[in-house]
Amino acid sequence: NAGVMQNPRHLVRRRGQEARLRCSPMKGHSHVYWYRQLPEEGLKFMVYLQKENIIDESGMPKERFSAEFPKEGPSILRIQQVVRGDSAAYFCASSPTGWGNTEAFFGQGTRLTVV
Amino acid sequence: TQLLEQSPQFLSIQEGENLTVYCNSSSVFSSLQWYRQEPGEGPVLLVTVVTGGEVKKLKRLTFQFGDARKDSSLHITAAQPGDTGLYLCAGPSGSARQLTFGSGTQLTVLP
Repeated sequence: NAGVMQNPRHLVRRRGQEARLRCSPMKGHSHVYWYRQLPEEGLKFMVYLQKENIIDESGMPKERFSAEFPKEGPSILRIQQVVRGDSAAYFCASSPTGWGNTEAFFGQGTRLTVV
Repeated sequence: TQLLEQSPQFLSIQEGENLTVYCNSSSVFSSLQWYRQEPGEGPVLLVTVVTGGEVKKLKRLTFQFGDARKDSSLHITAAQPGDTGLYLCAGPSGSARQLTFGSGTQLTVLP
């Protein structure tokens, strides 16, 4: 959905570099979710954030990965010291409230390639 | 962890044919959503089903939620090439803090 903006759309990093993925939710949405998708697979939950708070990070690797959603500005997913296995499409979704019956809107994703 | 299994994983059919894809779980879901994802894009919500036994229609697409709210199906009538895409079902986890996705059905409709 064009309302959720992710950038960059494509990101190439060498092994060991840092990757920073940005997500601007739809206006009025304070809930942000990050998902990872490997080719021809479904989406795997990584982390759920509200403004300035991490609500659920149970799907995020404990090392090298971090996420934030500051009071001002976009949500950031940061991957330090990237490895080839980090290559995937990373999607952000936003909603006005938590999941349940609420519709969430996805961005177009950032495709990370680690060379 | 509530898991969603989708079948078939891949489906290739001719334009004009009908098809059904399935989403099954051993767990009860308060609701299920169906998304379609096209190459290079994010998933787009098609429908949310909430009540056991519910049937929703969206043009040539018919969605059904099982009576026990453990499974759902998507039926497409007279498929068209524009229906090509990855169809994903998803449901909120017990805590509703996550949306759990199935692995998807990759549909290809040949002209």
